[in-house]
Amino acid sequence: QQQVKQSPQSLIVQKGGISIINCAYENTAFDYFPWYQQFPGKGPALLIAIRPDVSEKKEGRFTISFNKSAKQFSLHIMDSQPGDSATYFCAASQGAQKLVFGQGTRLTINP
Amino acid sequence: GAGVSQSPRYKVAKRGQDVALRCDPISGHVSLFWYQQALGQGPEFLTYFQNEAQLDKSGLPSDRFFAERPEGSVSTLKIQRTQQEDSAVYLCASSLKVAATNEKLFFGSGTQLSVL
Repeated sequence: QQQVKQSPQSLIVQKGGISIINCAYENTAFDYFPWYQQFPGKGPALLIAIRPDVSEKKEGRFTISFNKSAKQFSLHIMDSQPGDSATYFCAASQGAQKLVFGQGTRLTINP
Repeated sequence: GAGVSQSPRYKVAKRGQDVALRCDPISGHVSLFWYQQALGQGPEFLTYFQNEAQLDKSGLPSDRFFAERPEGSVSTLKIQRTQQEDSAVYLCASSLKVAATNEKLFFGSGTQLSVL
């Protein structure tokens, strides 16, 4: 059962542009929504996370927008840089950290 | 060490062979998780330890999969009679405290298992 759906599967953005990745979830009991960044040959690393009691969270160039009624959340990367090229995963969990991950988005930033 | 360490980095097994994958979490971390990541997919939860107690093993795909953390630090994931569908990257993650919302997870680089 696909509990977290992520799109697009791949994304190409020009340097300096805005990268946007979307996720939708089904389980309304989820109360923690992190985004992870993964480089080839490495494990996922936490980028930014949000709780459902806020609609937006910003950390540097990374912003999460959260829409509880639509059960959707998105990651925005402002001023995208070639070093941001990686695979990004959204995830969700209820209480403890048994994370349910999306399928991933392969982001390429062209110089 | 500075991070979560996993060994071996790569493992090639013949179908039917048993394998053991090791995870050294960050020192002092209470919680330890195993995830399975198939090629081109997101990680999928396998099992969770709080110290030496295995509190959740609902994600283990079959009784061929077994995990342990006998002294509450190093953990081993064992797969018996490996099958081709077991080919994946096995990720270990740890966190400082008892699993709770917002507690940051630190992932290792994983063990890439290939079953021929």
